[in-house]
Amino acid sequence: AQTVTQSQPEMSVQEAETVTLSCTYDTSESDYYLFWYKQPPSRQMILVIRQEAYKQQNATENRFSVNFQKAAKSFSLKISDSQLGDAAMYFCAYRPHMNTGFQKLVFGTGTRLLVSP
Amino acid sequence: KAGVTQTPRYLIKTRGQQVTLSCSPISGHRSVSWYQQTPGQGLQFLFEYFSETQRNKGNFPGRFSGRQFSNSRSEMNVSTLELGDSALYLCASSLTADNEKLFFGSGTQLSVL
Repeated sequence: AQTVTQSQPEMSVQEAETVTLSCTYDTSESDYYLFWYKQPPSRQMILVIRQEAYKQQNATENRFSVNFQKAAKSFSLKISDSQLGDAAMYFCAYRPHMNTGFQKLVFGTGTRLLVSP
Repeated sequence: KAGVTQTPRYLIKTRGQQVTLSCSPISGHRSVSWYQQTPGQGLQFLFEYFSETQRNKGNFPGRFSGRQFSNSRSEMNVSTLELGDSALYLCASSLTADNEKLFFGSGTQLSVL
């Protein structure tokens, strides 16, 4: 069974600084998707960034980028120029490719990001 | 374009009762999935529907059921509520069953007393 591990329950960063959230996962599949979701106090799960496992190039979305290490099964999220609005719970998630496995998201336990002025 | 709408936002029930939660997906989305979020167990997959058919089901007891209507709206039902069913229930929609981009609603917070 696939598992996702986030070893940092909480991280702190100051505005304008950079922070990296860690995620490791375990799967025997070669093709899959990885995601970072943000859950603010409104509780809505918002997609931050998505990575396809067969693509070696790391995904970027504005201030958000990932460091995807397939062999190490590592998928970290880097937030640059942190803003107060970035404060939220961040969840790493895995989903098998459509041609393999059970189509569901497997989530990590989350990392709470605190942003101070 | 309206997002995923879940109603109600909050529910309080007592043990033994049953509850129905509703989810309206983004217009044009045909796949709906449900997740349960608790402090202890985190986010767990409940089930997924596409074109009124349940495609996948998570490891939950039979008290948890759902359905999808022809307009893609979905409901989930929990019968004989237990204290442990207290959770945030999140619904997500996607264009197709195989589209990996899920869009989530704000959830229904269920409290069982």
